[in-house]
Amino acid sequence: DQQVKQNSPSLSVQEGRISILNCDYTNSMFDYFLWYKKYPAEGPTFLISISSIKDKNEDGRFTVFLNKSAKHLSLHIVPSQPGDSAVYFCAASRGNQFYFGTGTSLTVIP
Amino acid sequence: EPEVTQTPSHQVTQMGQEVILRCVPISNHLYFYWYRQILGQKVEFLVSFYNNEISEKSEIFDDQFSVERPDGSNFTLKIRSTKLEDSAMYFCASSEGIGELFFGEGSRLTVL
Repeated sequence: DQQVKQNSPSLSVQEGRISILNCDYTNSMFDYFLWYKKYPAEGPTFLISISSIKDKNEDGRFTVFLNKSAKHLSLHIVPSQPGDSAVYFCAASRGNQFYFGTGTSLTVIP
Repeated sequence: EPEVTQTPSHQVTQMGQEVILRCVPISNHLYFYWYRQILGQKVEFLVSFYNNEISEKSEIFDDQFSVERPDGSNFTLKIRSTKLEDSAMYFCASSEGIGELFFGEGSRLTVL
């Protein structure tokens, strides 16, 4: 039962352009959403989050958008940089339970 | 900056052997978790731990698995009799209870 889905396993973007990573969830009880970035052989590192009472949160080059009616969130990275190349996981939480998507591998081409 | 630390970084073991993976969560955190990632697959929840007891566990976390917080700082995952399919990266995570999870660097387990 995959409650959090990332339907694009990979994405390639030119340096300087916008990267848009998408995530869908099924449980309307989720109240907190997060994006994590993971490099090979390292643990996931927290990137940005959004509460269910908001529809947008911005931190520098990273913006997360939440569409509760569609049960969809997205991460925008602009401008994309080669160092952004990594696997990005979205996560949703209800209380202290966190559910992760399968990840999207982003490659930013110099 | 406080961080979650895990040992060992890599362990190779024979099938059927017991393995203990160790984690030191961030000191003021109250919730502790183990996740695993089989190569090429998703990050899977194993177990969450709060107030010295398991608060939730997944179907993966069967009787072969156990967790313990023996001394107030370490948080361990024990696999009693390892199987080939237990080979994975195991990630420990902790949280204050509000906000994000903080993950360790992971322990790679290889079962031969």
